[in-house]
Amino acid sequence: NAGVMQNPRHLVRRRGQEARLRCSPMKGHSHVYWYRQLPEEGLKFMVYLQKENIIDESGMPKERFSAEFPKEGPSILRIQQVVRGDSAAYFCASSPDRTGTYNEQFFGPGTRLTVL
Amino acid sequence: AQSVTQPDIHITVSEGASLELRCNYSYGATPYLFWYVQSPGQGLQLLLKYFSGDTLVQGIKGFEAEFKRSQSSFNLRKPSVHWSDAAEYFCAVGRWQAGTALIFGKGTTLSVSS
Repeated sequence: NAGVMQNPRHLVRRRGQEARLRCSPMKGHSHVYWYRQLPEEGLKFMVYLQKENIIDESGMPKERFSAEFPKEGPSILRIQQVVRGDSAAYFCASSPDRTGTYNEQFFGPGTRLTVL
Repeated sequence: AQSVTQPDIHITVSEGASLELRCNYSYGATPYLFWYVQSPGQGLQLLLKYFSGDTLVQGIKGFEAEFKRSQSSFNLRKPSVHWSDAAEYFCAVGRWQAGTALIFGKGTTLSVSS
């Protein structure tokens, strides 16, 4: 069973461009979380999704950021008109949907975004 | 406010010496506590977790952590550090329910000297 997959691993964008980060959860996992790690900081929660639904986006910046988890295919974190402050590592995690037990989050390797 | 504090930004330990990384939390609900390790350029690997029961939990790679409710702490320990343990360590707190965001500390960078 492959782990959580993220691509690309490294992404370079110029200011004003769009960045698309993809996350394929582990097989059988229906919950996806996105976290951002700024330099010298811990991970900060951004958004939690289930298939075709955004459940909690309390950590998402109000503008330029969006996320989706379609019925088919990976979850996408989209950043429009990137600025230098968006440079960070973006981690995706997934968890299964088992009732009655804690659903551990498994993390992917991250996408390191650099904005020039 | 919910938060996790790791007071030590950077620790250097000699190879073979013991290690303790500190973690304090502030959390309104029953906390579920985690320690993750991140090697440079890599993702996060779960070292151990505490949900309930015995307050001393064993993890992978010879790590253990002790939950002390009265001190709101969950310190990570290892009796003998190996050079390969050099990495960044994150303490995190969460809730039981699926879909709950984890709250992370800022991390402690461990360097191991020979």
